[in-house]
Formats: sequence, structure tokens, C-alpha cells
Amino acid sequence: GAVVSQHPSWVICKSGTSVKIECRSLDFQATTMFWYRQFPKQSLMLMATSNEGSKATYEQGVEKDKFLINHASLTLSTLTVTSAHPEDSSFYICSARDDRTGNTIYFGEGSWLTVV
Amino acid sequence: KQEVTQIPAALSVPEGENLVLNCSFTDSAIYNLQWFRQDPGKGLTSLLLIQSSQREQTSGRLNASLDKSSGRSTLYIAASQPGDSATYLCAVNSGNTPLVFGKGTRLSVIA
Repeated sequence: GAVVSQHPSWVICKSGTSVKIECRSLDFQATTMFWYRQFPKQSLMLMATSNEGSKATYEQGVEKDKFLINHASLTLSTLTVTSAHPEDSSFYICSARDDRTGNTIYFGEGSWLTVV
Repeated sequence: KQEVTQIPAALSVPEGENLVLNCSFTDSAIYNLQWFRQDPGKGLTSLLLIQSSQREQTSGRLNASLDKSSGRSTLYIAASQPGDSATYLCAVNSGNTPLVFGKGTRLSVIA
């Protein structure tokens, strides 16, 4: 079946540094990918919609300059948390919409970010 | 704006019990509805996907139903086991938009 690979699974970084998380669709093309954030015991909250070749669409309250999204190819989207702070520590999950079906969405395994 | 609600927020049952998790959504114009399982610190595992034209889907001990007109779905788990302990998320796909998730039901099955 379709697979979405997310890397890294775990990352610890120092406050003030930047961290990049990759989301790859391994056996299908995805013009559209989505980034979610999940705080402990909370549900997934959509951060932004990533579109290949164009700027991402951010949800209200999400700082686009802090959470940089690049969707440079049909199989890869990256989320960069810039100048990370402890409050950015969270579980980040990406999903990708399969271009072949148009509405089937697959999820990555998620990335745990801890900022110390 | 689509909103998804899951009841109960948490549930604890003894092993072997049958149980029902509920999901409701405000906009019935959906493409499909999906139930996920999430273990602590892990990503999402898709359990069942019901297309808007379907009434139910079954996989092993799991059965999900969909009543689109009333904006409701249920996930039925038969003969629960400790390994079923996880958070169960309901998500609605309205077509060319991101999935909208409920807050989940945290299930504990006690041996």
C-alpha cells in the first residue's frame, strides 16, 4: 500500500536552533500535503496545507515565518521550525493526498520534537 | 466549518467487553469518514474508511457505521483486548480539503 515516510522520528534540539522535518510519499505523487501538530492529550491540529510549486496555506494562528514549508517536488514536503523554543516541542505529523485518487490521504509516522 | 466531536473522551472497560465509540460531525457533505488508532507517542494507523455511499465497514473485530444524514458514525469493538488500548480518532474528509479530526477517545482495556 501507499506509504508516507516522515523523518526524523525523534529530534532534540537546543533553543534558538532550526529543525527540518521531511515528509515523503514513497510510491505515489502528492501535489498536496498537510502538516499537523499534536500536543499531549490533544487532537491533531492542522498547521498548513502544502502545495507543490506554490506557497503553503497556513491556518489561522500559525506563524508562517516560524514554520517554513517547502514543497519542491511531488513527493517531498519539508517543515522547518525556525528559532525553536521549548513551547514548539510537540508531535508533528504530515499527510499526503494521493494524486491518483484525488481524495485518499495517507499519514506519516510523525516526528517528536523536543526543544531544550 | 466542519466540526467533529467524539464521545466519550475516555473509556475504561474490562477485557472481553464489547464497546462503542461515537463520532458526530456538523456538515453532512462528506466524501468519506475514517477511523484511526493512535498509540502513545506514535503516528496514526488507519483502521476503517467508510465512503459516503456506504453504511458500514468491517475489519476483524471492528465495525464502523456511518449515517451521513444525521452526521454520525460509530466504531464498534467486539471482545475487547488489552492490546486495543489506544486513542481512537475519527476524521472526516469533505473532499478537496484537509481531514478534520475529533479530539479522540482514549480507550483502556483492563485485563
